[in-house]
Amino acid sequence: AQTVTQSQPEMSVQEAETVTLSCTYDTSENNYYLFWYKQPPSRQMILVIRQEAYKQQNATENRFSVNFQKAAKSFSLKISDSQLGDTAMYFCAFSFNFGNEKLTFGTGTRLTIIP
Amino acid sequence: KAGVTQTPRYLIKTRGQQVTLSCSPISGHRSVSWYQQTPGQGLQFLFEYFSETQRNKGNFPGRFSGRQFSNSRSEMNVSTLELGDSALYLCASSLDGRGKETQYFGPGTRLLVL
Repeated sequence: AQTVTQSQPEMSVQEAETVTLSCTYDTSENNYYLFWYKQPPSRQMILVIRQEAYKQQNATENRFSVNFQKAAKSFSLKISDSQLGDTAMYFCAFSFNFGNEKLTFGTGTRLTIIP
Repeated sequence: KAGVTQTPRYLIKTRGQQVTLSCSPISGHRSVSWYQQTPGQGLQFLFEYFSETQRNKGNFPGRFSGRQFSNSRSEMNVSTLELGDSALYLCASSLDGRGKETQYFGPGTRLLVL
């Protein structure tokens, strides 16, 4: 069974600074997908960024980028120029490629952006 | 396009009762998944439906059940409620349910069991 580990329960950073959230996972499969979801206080889960395991290039989405290290099974999220609206729980998640819709989530990192 | 909607948003029940939660996926999405979120256990997969068939099921007791209608709307039911069923229940939809597709989540239903 695959597992997802987020070792930082809480983090805080000053507004406009850069912060990196860590995520490691364990799977014996070679073809899979990784996601970062954000859950603000409103509780709505919002996709931040996704990465296909077969792609070596790291995904980027505006201020958000990932550092995907497949051999190390590491998938960290970097938030640049952090904004107050980035305050949320961030979840790392994993899914297989083949017909399996299940997302396996990490335990989350609570990120607070300090004005 | 409208996003995933869930009703009701909040619910209070007592132990032993049953509850039905509803989820309407994004238009055109045929796969609906359900997750339970609690402070202790985090986010856990309940089940996934595609074309009115349950394709995948998490490790939950039989008190948790669901179904999907021909318009892709889904309901989940919890019978004989226990205090531990208090949670945020999240529904997510995707196009065809393949693992590579992004799941889009609804706002959730917060269930409190007294």
